Amino acid sequence: GQQLNQSPQSMFIQEGEDVSMNCTSSSIFNTWLWYKQDPGEGPVLLIALYKAGELTSNGRLTAQFGITRKDSFLNISASIPSDVGIYFCAGQGDSGYALNFGKGTSLLVTP
Amino acid sequence: DGGITQSPKYLFRKEGQNVTLSCEQNLNHDAMYWYRQDPGQGLRLIYYSQIVNDFQKGDIAEGYSVSREKKESFPLTVTSAQKNPTAFYLCASSIQGSQPQHFGDGTRLSIL
Repeated sequence: GQQLNQSPQSMFIQEGEDVSMNCTSSSIFNTWLWYKQDPGEGPVLLIALYKAGELTSNGRLTAQFGITRKDSFLNISASIPSDVGIYFCAGQGDSGYALNFGKGTSLLVTP
Repeated sequence: DGGITQSPKYLFRKEGQNVTLSCEQNLNHDAMYWYRQDPGQGLRLIYYSQIVNDFQKGDIAEGYSVSREKKESFPLTVTSAQKNPTAFYLCASSIQGSQPQHFGDGTRLSIL
């Protein structure tokens, strides 16, 4: 599998600010997933995207499946301290099984 | 309470020793997966299983072995052939391969 390019690597923001992060691939994917991982725990699925151009929200989180099928974006609006963690993107291609992960975006939110 | 249970939470291995990490799910999912996570890195696929009694190597299968004798269980053995086993190991499952994967809380393996 390939490693996806996820940016930024880390973000340090104040509570209430909006956050944007993105993920790019050299390959086309059929599914894009966004996970959040807290220290010492497993990743938790936030949003799943299945169609190019799809825009999906989950509370204050919004993610988009890029039209080229090679990228995806995650936005967090009005950040709060509990948003702290590492956010991972993952893409799934024609194999239907293997997930290709980015290296993660570490988010720190100050009150 | 449905979910994926990994045990133990922390595991220590002596040089030359094999250790087995447990992964159990009660979600009735067909597919199960093992990933390795190193600091500052994304997850890398070790093995996956689409159905009972069948499994395939992932990107970094060398030094690891698995079995899938029951639908709900997918144990991972870290053998002595794995020269750099210190990592956080994550088990996941999905209804089928094309569905989103859900993760357990991981096992942290360290070398004594």
